[in-house]
Amino acid sequence: QVQLVESGGGVVQPGRSLRLSCAASGFTFSSYAMNWVRQAPGKGLEWVAVISDDGSNKYYADSVKGRFTISRDNSKNTLHLQMNSLRTEDTAVYYCAGSSSIAAAALLWGQGTMVTVSS
Amino acid sequence: EIVLTQSPDTLSLSPGERATLSCRASQSLASSYLAWYQQKPGQAPRLLIYGASSRATGIPDRFSGSGSGTDFTLTISRLEPEDFAVYYCQQYGSSFGQGTKVDIK
Repeated sequence: QVQLVESGGGVVQPGRSLRLSCAASGFTFSSYAMNWVRQAPGKGLEWVAVISDDGSNKYYADSVKGRFTISRDNSKNTLHLQMNSLRTEDTAVYYCAGSSSIAAAALLWGQGTMVTVSS
Repeated sequence: EIVLTQSPDTLSLSPGERATLSCRASQSLASSYLAWYQQKPGQAPRLLIYGASSRATGIPDRFSGSGSGTDFTLTISRLEPEDFAVYYCQQYGSSFGQGTKVDIK
């Protein structure tokens, strides 16, 4: 069955880096654009970044631009989010989500991984 | 950047009642690039509606979406116990609204 499994979350100090991964299975990963969406504790959803199916196009929310980098490895069915210069306000559950294109609704969702930025 | 504003923040209703949720965009959305999601506590969001009015696979027909331009609506015709949740609108590949919580009256 279709599965997206996030990993790499944890507790990190402000200013440090963390790399999240999302392992995909049960569908043709290379045919889907992929998103990262986050949710701070008790708050709403915030779109973070999207990458096209072939990795050639990437877009970011203003709140993470210049600090986060989205990437993918279609040979390994894996999505990544490199997060640098982390801030306390980056604390959230991070979900990966798949859509049929960059300009499409997110149909496939993982269960999320928690990132806590704290000293 | 287009801002999506949902109303109301909370909707208190009883099972069997009709729910009407609003999502207003600060600028017109091209080609109705708007989706609705449902999220229950401790769960990932689930896609309900795409293209403003098309139901995703497996979504019951009591859920319907309408609207275009800057004003969009999600309607739940008769609330079932499992429909009490938070609902978000989203411009494709971009910002979400702040959410509307539908809770039991």
